[in-house]
Amino acid sequence: EAGVAQSPRYKIIEKRQSVAFWCNPISGHATLYWYQQILGQGPKLLIQFQNNGVVDDSQLPKDRFSAERLKGVDSTLKIQPAKLEDSAVYLCASSSAPRGGKDYGYTFGSGTRLTVV
Amino acid sequence: QQPVQSPQAVILREGEDAVINCSSSKALYSVHWYRQKHGEAPVFLMILLKGGEQKGHDKISASFNEKKQQSSLYLTASQLSYSGTYFCGTQYSGAGSYQLTFGKGTKLSVIP
Repeated sequence: EAGVAQSPRYKIIEKRQSVAFWCNPISGHATLYWYQQILGQGPKLLIQFQNNGVVDDSQLPKDRFSAERLKGVDSTLKIQPAKLEDSAVYLCASSSAPRGGKDYGYTFGSGTRLTVV
Repeated sequence: QQPVQSPQAVILREGEDAVINCSSSKALYSVHWYRQKHGEAPVFLMILLKGGEQKGHDKISASFNEKKQQSSLYLTASQLSYSGTYFCGTQYSGAGSYQLTFGKGTKLSVIP
């Protein structure tokens, strides 16, 4: 089975610029997550989708971050404008959890390493 | 609320055993365990649901103590391939989204 695909693999931008990340989850996985992982720390949830609806975006900095999953398959995470503290690895994950994201493990993509200079 | 992992780091020789702990101050619904190698994605190891069950995966097993709100990951007869950072992730009872919150990780190094 194909894994979770993410692109680009690396991105370097200047502060105040915008950037977008793309994720294609495992086929048939209804639940999709975006996590931010700062160097040396555990992943932190930004947003969780169930099909194309948002389940949890309580930790998403909505003044600069946005995400969508229009057809319930692939998803895009955008940052505009970027700040230095946004430098991190952005991980996308999916699970086959039918509801609420419980009882199932997550499959993570390789992530996008973002450097803001 | 972020779970607390201990130890922060451990160095083992091949064949030795290790225990990694994950504690929460809130009532847990489940605990996930993941391993992440440098520059790679976290890889799912196992999930434990409340009920105190113990699971095993080759020579890696875990337990969930509901009374203590704690989970422990046991690595026996460690191999070089076990090196990496281990993260526990916790889901809490009563949280509608069952948000998975990760600890800061435990770095495990296995040396020959």
